[in-house]
Amino acid sequence: DQQVKQNSPSLSVQEGRISILNCDYTNSMFDYFLWYKKYPAEGPTFLISISSIKDKNEDGRFTVFLNKSAKHLSLHIVPSQPGDSAVYFCAAETSGSRLTFGEGTQLTVNP
Amino acid sequence: NAGVTQTPKFRVLKTGQSMTLLCAQDMNHEYMYWYRQDPGMGLRLIHYSVGEGTTAKGEVPDGYNVSRLKKQNFLLGLESAAPSQTSVYFCASEVVRGLGVYEQYFGPGTRLTVT
Repeated sequence: DQQVKQNSPSLSVQEGRISILNCDYTNSMFDYFLWYKKYPAEGPTFLISISSIKDKNEDGRFTVFLNKSAKHLSLHIVPSQPGDSAVYFCAAETSGSRLTFGEGTQLTVNP
Repeated sequence: NAGVTQTPKFRVLKTGQSMTLLCAQDMNHEYMYWYRQDPGMGLRLIHYSVGEGTTAKGEVPDGYNVSRLKKQNFLLGLESAAPSQTSVYFCASEVVRGLGVYEQYFGPGTRLTVT
């Protein structure tokens, strides 16, 4: 039972354009959502998060949008840079529970 | 401040052999985790610990044991390795940022191959 799903295994965009990574979840009890970024041969690193009481959180080039009614969140990267090429994991949690991760999306930003 | 470190970085085992993966953190975090990452499956929780001397099972605990004798260390043991345990293993420690808000810091991973 995959409670957090990232349906696109890969995404390729041109440098300077917008990257949109999507994530769907099934558990309506999730109240906190995170995005992690992972480079090859390194561990995931925290990127940005959003509480379920908000619908948008922005940090520089990164914005996360949350649509609770659709149980969907997305990560927007604008403008995309070659250094953004990595695997992006969506994760969700409820208060006091452990993180549940999605499968990951490989983003490639072409110069 | 080294963060979260893992030893070893790579290992090849034969079926039936045993080994221990070491995770260390210097951030004084209470919570620590062991995950495995397999292609197309994201990160799956093996075991976790909410403090020194405590451990709990995660999503995929079979074939693994853990110990948390010291707060800064979390050990993952494979008693009798199987090819299905070929994976990349990540350790993480966790800090509570606020009410119900948790943030995990990951180690660089251990790539294990069981032949």
